[in-house]
Amino acid sequence: DADVTQTPRNRITKTGKRIMLECSQTKGHDRMYWYRQDPGLGLRLIYYSFDVKDINKGEISDGYSVSRQAQAKFSLSLESAIPNQTALYFCATSDTGTSGRVDEQFFGPGTRLTVL
Amino acid sequence: GQNIDQPTEMTATEGAIVQINCTYQTSGFNGLFWYQQHAGEAPTFLSYNVLDGLEEKGRFSSFLSRSKGYSYLLLKELQMKDSASYLCAVGTGTASKLTFGTGTRLQVTL
Repeated sequence: DADVTQTPRNRITKTGKRIMLECSQTKGHDRMYWYRQDPGLGLRLIYYSFDVKDINKGEISDGYSVSRQAQAKFSLSLESAIPNQTALYFCATSDTGTSGRVDEQFFGPGTRLTVL
Repeated sequence: GQNIDQPTEMTATEGAIVQINCTYQTSGFNGLFWYQQHAGEAPTFLSYNVLDGLEEKGRFSSFLSRSKGYSYLLLKELQMKDSASYLCAVGTGTASKLTFGTGTRLQVTL
């Protein structure tokens, strides 16, 4: 089955460390997204990419960077991790919107990140 | 900006019907999505409304009123496995960007 995968699934790191979360998809979708989820705050968009050459900031991009290495790969980096970046991180993909509609997003299983 | 409101928690009995409401304020509205998310798992797509009215999919239905900025998700014949969070999300413009509400945690009891 075409899928969205994330590695690692769990990560504990220390303040100040640089870490990378990776996302791969076999759905053939052009569009990829990174979200974080915090209790009581819902899913918030960090970065999104509509193709390999297109990267856009979401609502909470400060402290994060991304790389779209290929159509199928989109990685999220925390340059210098801090405790308030402790959260559940989701990658998602969607097809290119047809006829102006917004296509549904398909989510990976998530990465639980703890910054001590 | 966008504002999306939905109740934080709801409880319902197995076999019953429950309606989860979502109100939104946004510009450039281009569709409303409902996702289901079990604890610790990924959200999964349930329904999409872009025109006013009711969309039915088995036990789940979703309604949209664009003039009122209002949607609801209706779950019929509730089962224990329906205990999950239900996320309302609004799409805007021509981009496939979604803004999510904080979710409604539904507990189904015997």
